[in-house]
Amino acid sequence: DAGVIQSPRHEVTEMGQEVTLRCKPISGHNSLFWYRQTMMRGLELLIYFNNNVPIDDSGMPEDRFSAKMPNASFSTLKIQPSEPRDSAVYFCASSLTQGEKLFFGSGTQLSVL
Amino acid sequence: RKEVEQDPGPFNVPEGATVAFNCTYSNSASQSFFWYRQDCRKEPKLLMSVYSSGNEDGRFTAQLNRASQYISLLIRDSKLSDSATYLCVVNDYKLSFGAGTTVTVRA
Repeated sequence: DAGVIQSPRHEVTEMGQEVTLRCKPISGHNSLFWYRQTMMRGLELLIYFNNNVPIDDSGMPEDRFSAKMPNASFSTLKIQPSEPRDSAVYFCASSLTQGEKLFFGSGTQLSVL
Repeated sequence: RKEVEQDPGPFNVPEGATVAFNCTYSNSASQSFFWYRQDCRKEPKLLMSVYSSGNEDGRFTAQLNRASQYISLLIRDSKLSDSATYLCVVNDYKLSFGAGTTVTVRA
């Protein structure tokens, strides 16, 4: 099993640019989660999907953030325009069903200059 | 009050020692509980699920106390490789993570 796959591993961009993070969940998993981790705030849930449908996006910081899951094997998290305070590690995770144990991708280290 | 609270530590212990720490949660309706381990600059990885009766996996023992709303993790005969941050995870309607407890095992 390939596990949860995220790309890119590292992203360095300038303030104001659009950033797109990608995630492929484990095949057969029905729930997908996007988290952000910083030293100050720890691990924060941004949004999660069940069966490709967004269930709770209350953690999305503001309208600059958007997430999609067009099919069961792919999700994107987009930041437009990006700001320096968006710098963090963004993790994608999937689980068989909601409430089950999570499996995390390796994360995307985002730096916005 | 935060949904999940942990003592951040750090817990600095010598090799071979026993270390234990707790995690409290606010939602009494929470259904399932997990401990994750996170190494520096890596993704969190599942360490163990926590069952009502308590469960053991090698040197690791997890306990759940529903009446007092906390879960605990105990590490026996600690190894250098146990140095990590341990994240408590509670499932109410979503999975809520604690901020983590840092454990450092020294030679």
